This record gives sequence, C-alpha cells and structure tokens, in this order.
Amino acid sequence: QKEVEQNSGPLSVPEGAIASLNCTYSDRVSQSFFWYRQYSGKSPELIMSIYSNGDKEDGRFTAQLNKASQYVSLLIRDSQPSDSATYLCAVFINSGYALNFGKGTSLLVTP
Amino acid sequence: DAGVIQSPRHEVTEMGQEVTLRCKPISGHDYLFWYRQTMMRGLELLIYFNNNVPIDDSGMPEDRFSAKMPNASFSTLKIQPSEPRDSAVYFCASSDRTSGGNEQFFGPGTRLTVL
Repeated sequence: QKEVEQNSGPLSVPEGAIASLNCTYSDRVSQSFFWYRQYSGKSPELIMSIYSNGDKEDGRFTAQLNKASQYVSLLIRDSQPSDSATYLCAVFINSGYALNFGKGTSLLVTP
Repeated sequence: DAGVIQSPRHEVTEMGQEVTLRCKPISGHDYLFWYRQTMMRGLELLIYFNNNVPIDDSGMPEDRFSAKMPNASFSTLKIQPSEPRDSAVYFCASSDRTSGGNEQFFGPGTRLTVL
C-alpha cells in the first residue's frame, strides 16, 4: 500500500493564528486528496477535497496541492479552540475509491 | 437521513470468542468500507464493497477476519477467533459514487476490546 506521511504533532497555535498542516504521499498516480477532521472519540469528517494543483479555499480552510512535489497541505486561518482535533490526510488508493490515510496531525489551538 | 449506523458501539470480549460487527450504510450509497483504527497503525482500510460485491479485501489482516454484505443495507465484519491484538475502533463508511460523490461518510465506530 502506498504511503501517506504526516507529522504527528502536536501542533500548538494560539487562537487567531494560522495553522499549517502538511502531508506527503508516495504514489505519483494519485489524483484525489482529502482532509478529514477527527475529534477525540469521534469518527472522521471530511472538511476539504482537492484534485488540481494550486489552492482551494472554503471559508477559513485552504487546501494546497503540488503534485510535482507530492505534497498537500491544509491551512486554517483565524484558528479557534474548536479547531483542536486530529487532521487526517487521505489519498485514493490505486486509482480506486478506497482511501489511504495518514496517521494524522494533532492540532491544539490555545485561547 | 440517519447516517451510517454501526452496532454495537462498544464490545468487550475474551480471547477466542467470535465477534460480529454490524453496519447499515446510508440509503442509496453504492460503496461500503470497513476501516480499523489504532494508535500505532492509524486508520487502515480492511475491505470495501461496491453494490454488495467485495472489491478489495487485501487489507484484511488474516483469515480470522471475514466480511459480508448480503444486501444494500447491511454488512457484517466477523472476527473468529478474536485475539487481544484485534482491539481497536472499527469504522464503517459509505459513499455515493453513482452521483459522482467522493465523500465517505463514517459511522460512529465500534470500540472493540479483546481481553
């Protein structure tokens, strides 16, 4: 199975700051990329998807994709304590529809 | 819609016992996925189905694990016999590829503890 790598953190940012979460993947044919948020004891929830190189913005969230560098990131602007969670990067496996997840980055937003 | 439903939410069993986890996907979804999550290994795909047919079971750890989807509204993941290393949270997810959707909707999970 192809690898999806994330820094486990924890990443600690003050309230109102920008949180930057990074992910690298090993499968060059990957075309679809996703960011899931998982609160402690809860199930993963999709927050962003990105398919093309460049930036995609949705509210306070921006996903960035660079296929040449095999790198995808998630920026959270004006971070709030409610953003404290684990963020999982995911990639479709083998051009199919099942996901290969990274182990996640724990984000802590401090008031 | 009620979302993906999983049962039981918690299961505690002893080594060697059979465990059956259940999942009801969102109505109309054509893909169903079983994942396992542990601190050490993260979230791992076990098996997935398309229109009730298993497509990829390469993530099933060993023959002790089996999964079925007898109809579009029900799937089971069975572990027989269970071992302590099977302790994890098991998630079921479904998606609607027919309408072009890529999002997988996860159930609340079953926390399995094997003593």
